[in-house]
Amino acid sequence: AQSVTQPDIHITVSEGASLELRCNYSYGATPYLFWYVQSPGQGLQLLLKYFSGDTLVQGIKGFEAEFKRSQSSFNLRKPSVHWSDAAEYFCAVVLSTDSWGKLQFGAGTQVVVTP
Amino acid sequence: GAVVSQHPSWVICKSGTSVKIECRSLDFQATTMFWYRQFPKQSLMLMATSNEGSKATYEQGVEKDKFLINHASLTLSTLTVTSAHPEDSSFYICSAGENYEQYFGPGTRLTVT
Repeated sequence: AQSVTQPDIHITVSEGASLELRCNYSYGATPYLFWYVQSPGQGLQLLLKYFSGDTLVQGIKGFEAEFKRSQSSFNLRKPSVHWSDAAEYFCAVVLSTDSWGKLQFGAGTQVVVTP
Repeated sequence: GAVVSQHPSWVICKSGTSVKIECRSLDFQATTMFWYRQFPKQSLMLMATSNEGSKATYEQGVEKDKFLINHASLTLSTLTVTSAHPEDSSFYICSAGENYEQYFGPGTRLTVT
């Protein structure tokens, strides 16, 4: 079945430490890939996206993600987290064959940042 | 970047009444808008795809007579929750699409008492 999987429901990381959030997808063809962040009670903000080309994508707020076709993964990373990075992170995909561009979301990963 | 607004940001209504939520794309024209529902600590669930000038397409299991969507212009889509009940209480988020990217509104918290 087609799906987007975020294996980690909850991650706790110390401020200044590195962060990696996992995302795997299961589709017949490589979809368009996105990472969004949601602060409590807010809408979603796009961190970065991958359509094609260079598999290492730079985003806003110091985030980057790497697309690995062989692993069907699109993991999000940040070298040094800040307290303001505490939020919910969603991986999402759009099938390239979907003319409307409907997003399919993973379950999300809650990131807690400790002092 | 593109900006999408929602109004109201929160609303409390009595059971049996209807509530309208507006979604506007402020600096671009959006042929397609999407409506999502989000329960606490859960992911976003797509409710419907709204296309300007045509009927919305609802996801399986979403009652189209209860959640009325109107996309009257390229910058405005509305979601009306009709005869609201407490189980309709949720966080509703809209987004507007452009070139396979979606820009999200800040969400509307609906509480039905």
